[in-house]
Amino acid sequence: KAGVTQTPRYLIKTRGQQVTLSCSPISGHRSVSWYQQTPGQGLQFLFEYFSETQRNKGNFPGRFSGRQFSNSRSEMNVSTLELGDSALYLCASSLASRNTEAFFGQGTRLTVV
Amino acid sequence: AQRVTQPEKLLSVFKGAPVELKCNYSYSGSPELFWYVQYSRQRLQLLLRHISRESIKGFTADLNKGETSFHLKKPFAQEEDSAMYYCASVQSGSARQLTFGSGTQLTVLP
Repeated sequence: KAGVTQTPRYLIKTRGQQVTLSCSPISGHRSVSWYQQTPGQGLQFLFEYFSETQRNKGNFPGRFSGRQFSNSRSEMNVSTLELGDSALYLCASSLASRNTEAFFGQGTRLTVV
Repeated sequence: AQRVTQPEKLLSVFKGAPVELKCNYSYSGSPELFWYVQYSRQRLQLLLRHISRESIKGFTADLNKGETSFHLKKPFAQEEDSAMYYCASVQSGSARQLTFGSGTQLTVLP
């Protein structure tokens, strides 16, 4: 079956702009989580969605938001971009129960200039 | 708050030598721990989880609650084991929030 798909793979944006990233989970997976990966901070949890509801949120400013659609696809939005938002953004999907594996996408590389 | 610590950023071993990647966690409840691996130019993928008690690609990891450790071990390293390894834990509750360690880059030398 198809894996987790993230689009676009690469993005270059200017400070102050906003950006939307997309994630299509594995068919049947209802939980989608987002992570930010940077050389300095490593992998950090952003938020998790399940059945169109945000179930948990990491320690990020309100400029970072997301949503999930009825087909479980998810989008992540970052407004008023800052240079420090440059990172690899990873999406992971799972069957939603606690003991199931999280499958990761290849990520979207965001560069803010 | 949960914390996962991987003290080694880089680790090099020779092919055929044993390898141990260290992971320590801080958690007040019942931890659920994982090892994820990222090979060059590939996506992050699950290697093993402590509840499964299985050996994947020759790797094993035992949860030691007394030492709050979940070290990853392999008796004979192979060159194809070279990759970035992340230890991770899941917070209690139903949410799938993984807390990752900073990762260890393993290089297996020929």
